[in-house]
Amino acid sequence: DTGVSQDPRHKITKRGQNVTFRCDPISEHNRLYWYRQTLGQGPEFLTYFQNEAQLEKSRLLSDRFSAERPKGSFSTLEIQRTEQGDSAMYLCASSSGDRVFGYTFGSGTRLTVV
Amino acid sequence: AQSVTQLDSQVPVFEEAPVELRCNYSSSVSVYLFWYVQYPNQGLQLLLKYLSGSTLVKGINGFEAEFNKSQTSFHLRKPSVHISDTAEYFCAVTPGAGTALIFGKGTTLSVSS
Repeated sequence: DTGVSQDPRHKITKRGQNVTFRCDPISEHNRLYWYRQTLGQGPEFLTYFQNEAQLEKSRLLSDRFSAERPKGSFSTLEIQRTEQGDSAMYLCASSSGDRVFGYTFGSGTRLTVV
Repeated sequence: AQSVTQLDSQVPVFEEAPVELRCNYSSSVSVYLFWYVQYPNQGLQLLLKYLSGSTLVKGINGFEAEFNKSQTSFHLRKPSVHISDTAEYFCAVTPGAGTALIFGKGTTLSVSS
């Protein structure tokens, strides 16, 4: 098991472009979470999935953001018409949802919008 | 709703000194508590967690934390820090299994020689 993988590690994009990030969770984990972390702040919850179902979305997730987990395995987070305020680290985590509470985080994707 | 307040944004200490990073939480229900560490340009690594039972929790790298329900606190301590402990530390809560973690804003621990 290689842990939670995120791709790419870094992304620089021009304002107005669309970007997509990928997260591969630990294989036996059925829950997957997306967080956004800006400089000097703690991670802020965006959304989470149980298998392929998106169970909760934060109000931070504007209509320019969409997340999918089509087969209950990997997930993608897309940002349309990027803005400079979208510049942040996007973190993915997975868990098995049981009482062990094994949340495992990936290394994140750092997005810079210029 | 739950919230987390980390009372110190920066904590500078000398090597081999003890350190305490403070965390208070607010919740109308029982919560589960966590401390994570983040090194530059990396993801979050779990230091320790409180689920139930003993209020003193021991974690990795010599860290421990004490859950105090009456004071709604979960302070992180280490009796003797090393240069390598320099990092960002986050306290987090969740009300239930598998639900999203709610994080504090973090405390930067800077250890110097």
